[in-house]
Amino acid sequence: SQELEQSPQSLIVQEGKNLTINCTSSKTLYGLYWYKQKYGEGLIFLMMLQKGGEEKSHEKITAKLDEKKQQSSLHITASQPSHAGIYLCGAANDNAGNMLTFGGGTRLMVKP
Amino acid sequence: KAGVTQTPRYLIKTRGQQVTLSCSPISGHRSVSWYQQTPGQGLQFLFEYFSETQRNKGNFPGRFSGRQFSNSRSEMNVSTLELGDSALYLCASSPAAWVANTEAFFGQGTRLTVV
Repeated sequence: SQELEQSPQSLIVQEGKNLTINCTSSKTLYGLYWYKQKYGEGLIFLMMLQKGGEEKSHEKITAKLDEKKQQSSLHITASQPSHAGIYLCGAANDNAGNMLTFGGGTRLMVKP
Repeated sequence: KAGVTQTPRYLIKTRGQQVTLSCSPISGHRSVSWYQQTPGQGLQFLFEYFSETQRNKGNFPGRFSGRQFSNSRSEMNVSTLELGDSALYLCASSPAAWVANTEAFFGQGTRLTVV
């Protein structure tokens, strides 16, 4: 079965600093999702990447997909306290269907 | 457009009881998937439905079951509750048959506490 490894597991940054979260898959990536979660709440959809080399941005968050490395990265520029939360990457399964496999998450704290 | 709606938001049940959780997907979405989230195991896939058919099932005991109705709303049921079933249960809604081709949106979840 597919496994997703996220790094780092937790991150504390000073407000205004940039940061990167990585997500590496043990298998070929067919669709890679990034979500943000506040503790105890639902997952907020950030973006989805489908093709190798694809890069998407939303406000100060940019995600890239490296198909060859089976890896995706999420980059936040000029972090703000509102960026704090848990970031989760999820990947589509290769047997079709709507099952997603998730990484363990990265807990981000932004110090004002 | 309304998002994914899960009810109830919070539940407290006693061991041995059963519980039913509900998920209404985004209008027009035909797929609903269910996940269990715990601090120890993270997000784990339970099962997924597309047009009333269960297509995939995760590695959970038979006490966990679900169904999808013709209007795409879905319910999941857990019988003979155990303390370890305490978790945040999340459902995801998607319009297409393969999630690799489309976006998937989650509800706010149902927090189940078993005492």
